[in-house]
Amino acid sequence: KQEVTQIPAALSVPEGENLVLNCSFTDSAIYNLQWFRQDPGKGLTSLLLIQSSQREQTSGRLNASLDKSSGRSTLYIAASQPGDSATYLCAIPGNTGGFKTIFGAGTRLFVKA
Amino acid sequence: GAGVSQTPSNKVTEKGKYVELRCDPISGHTALYWYRQSLGQGPEFLIYFQGTGAADDSGLPNDRFFAVRPEGSVSTLKIQRTERGDSAVYLCASSLTSRNEQFFGPGTRLTVL
Repeated sequence: KQEVTQIPAALSVPEGENLVLNCSFTDSAIYNLQWFRQDPGKGLTSLLLIQSSQREQTSGRLNASLDKSSGRSTLYIAASQPGDSATYLCAIPGNTGGFKTIFGAGTRLFVKA
Repeated sequence: GAGVSQTPSNKVTEKGKYVELRCDPISGHTALYWYRQSLGQGPEFLIYFQGTGAADDSGLPNDRFFAVRPEGSVSTLKIQRTERGDSAVYLCASSLTSRNEQFFGPGTRLTVL
């Protein structure tokens, strides 16, 4: 059974700092891993999807890495801005056992101006 | 093009009543997911449709919950005899095919009094 854990649960940083959010999973037989952003009271916005065959994926100031063997993914945010304040979630779709997507509980990020 | 839309955005009902929540996926997306999200938690998988059929309903909590997608586009989540514990935000997502990048709607906030 796949379990997804995100550490830390919350993070507060000053503007301009580079930061890393962590996502760990228990079953390495994954198709891909997706990172999302969620603003308060809103739906989820897709940030990056990294396939199981990839080691990393980049979009602007965001870089996601994947290490299947160790069951870890990281989301690196460069030069953080107050507008980056949100909850960041990682998700793993079901593997051969089904289509159940499993989400972590998220990391709440606050970037201080 | 238009993203995923959900209606209503808010629904308040009384315990024991029946509710229907609607999801309009992105045009051409064959895969559709329903999730439930409680405060401070990541989304919890409910059901997955591939086309018109429910390919994985393992996340439905009990037989009061039912979902349909009769023409392979719009989906309706139906909850009978609502209970206060059903109060949550119900999220819908669609993707081009299974296990591809998921795009989320804004959600329906359900409150059962």
